Amino acid sequence: DVKVTQSSRYLVKRTGEKVFLECVQDMDHENMFWYRQDPGLGLRLIYFSYDVKMKEKGDIPEGYSVSREKKERFSLILESASTNQTSMYLCASSLLAAPNTGELFFGEGSRLTVL
Amino acid sequence: QKEVEQNSGPLSVPEGAIASLNCTYSDRGSQSFFWYRQYSGKSPELIMFIYSNGDKEDGRFTAQLNKASQYVSLLIRDSQPSDSATYLCAVNQTSYDKVIFGPGTSLSVIP
Repeated sequence: DVKVTQSSRYLVKRTGEKVFLECVQDMDHENMFWYRQDPGLGLRLIYFSYDVKMKEKGDIPEGYSVSREKKERFSLILESASTNQTSMYLCASSLLAAPNTGELFFGEGSRLTVL
Repeated sequence: QKEVEQNSGPLSVPEGAIASLNCTYSDRGSQSFFWYRQYSGKSPELIMFIYSNGDKEDGRFTAQLNKASQYVSLLIRDSQPSDSATYLCAVNQTSYDKVIFGPGTSLSVIP
């Protein structure tokens, strides 16, 4: 059974703290994505990566960075958390070749609250 | 203009009726289109994808694509209460390798 695992389901952090969200997939997928989901705004793409050590900005990269040192692992980093980064964060993976790129497998999500 | 638009709903249909969900997109270069279902408190799961103009049927679900009109829809026949969820339209902007989601349409099937 395919699996995308996010390390933390719920996190509470303070403003200014550094936050790491980890995501691991076991499907040997090339593509990995980080989205945030907010009521009324839907899923918004933060960053994505189609290969190890590669990263591409999505639509809302400001305040975030990512790391992909291994194919199966894609980390989202909030260098200095702010209250407007309180959200549900969803990691996803897919095969590289279009049109398969859009067939995403999602993790269970990480709900981050920044106080 | 938002890249992928959907009616936010909520859309309410009686059990057994046809639910019709609509989506428009702005990037004419988009090549592939996806429908995801998201139950409350859960992650999205893929239910349909379509790449060519026309209809694609899978059980009670039919996806329809019209690239000229930049329009994609999802029909759910014989709607069941278990179909109550938010339906997300997603578009693969192949020129950028990005997958962009619409805001979702909330569907409620009334027994």
